Amino acid sequence: AQSVSQHNHHVILSEAASLELGCNYSYGGTVNLFWYVQYPGQHLQLLLKYFSGDPLVKGIKGFEAEFIKSKFSFNLRKPSVQWSDTAEYFCAVNAQSGGGADGLTFGKGTHLIIQP
Amino acid sequence: DAMVIQNPRYQVTQFGKPVTLSCSQTLNHNVMYWYQQKSSQAPKLLFHYYDKDFNNEADTPDNFQSRRPNTSFCFLDIRSPGLGDAAMYLCATSRTAVEKLFFGSGTQLSVL
Repeated sequence: AQSVSQHNHHVILSEAASLELGCNYSYGGTVNLFWYVQYPGQHLQLLLKYFSGDPLVKGIKGFEAEFIKSKFSFNLRKPSVQWSDTAEYFCAVNAQSGGGADGLTFGKGTHLIIQP
Repeated sequence: DAMVIQNPRYQVTQFGKPVTLSCSQTLNHNVMYWYQQKSSQAPKLLFHYYDKDFNNEADTPDNFQSRRPNTSFCFLDIRSPGLGDAAMYLCATSRTAVEKLFFGSGTQLSVL
């Protein structure tokens, strides 16, 4: 079974600072990788995903993530954060198996607070 | 417009009293999931349906059951809720098992 670890449970940054949230997964096979975001009082929504191809993927709101297979990592980045980026961020993995895929396994989440 | 709808938004039940949470979708997606999320923890997959095929996670307690009478609806039944079952229950859908999930707003379950 796959597992996901997110290194930071709480991150506090000032506006315009650069952001990098770490995510590592454990699984020996082919995976699909996701970052989901949950803004206060809202439901989970997809930020970006990686299935195959270019390991640097770009998502909504200026976020990007880089899949580094050798490090089993899929870190989320944003060059300049805004106050509205305050939210909970979840990394998730979907392991491909038998032509289909298992359900998503989520990391514990990183609570990001952006100070004005 | 809401595409994955969960009712109710808040549910209070008594210890041991059966409770059912509902989820409906307007996306006509093949896959429907139920996740349990406790405070400060990751959403944990309980089970999912691919069409009518039910897939139970190995560590999902027998106390949790699910029904999917048609494409649009999926129910989570907790036969005898314990205090440890208090959590946010998230329903999600996806067109296929490898595509992104669309989440509902969740049902916050309290057990008294």
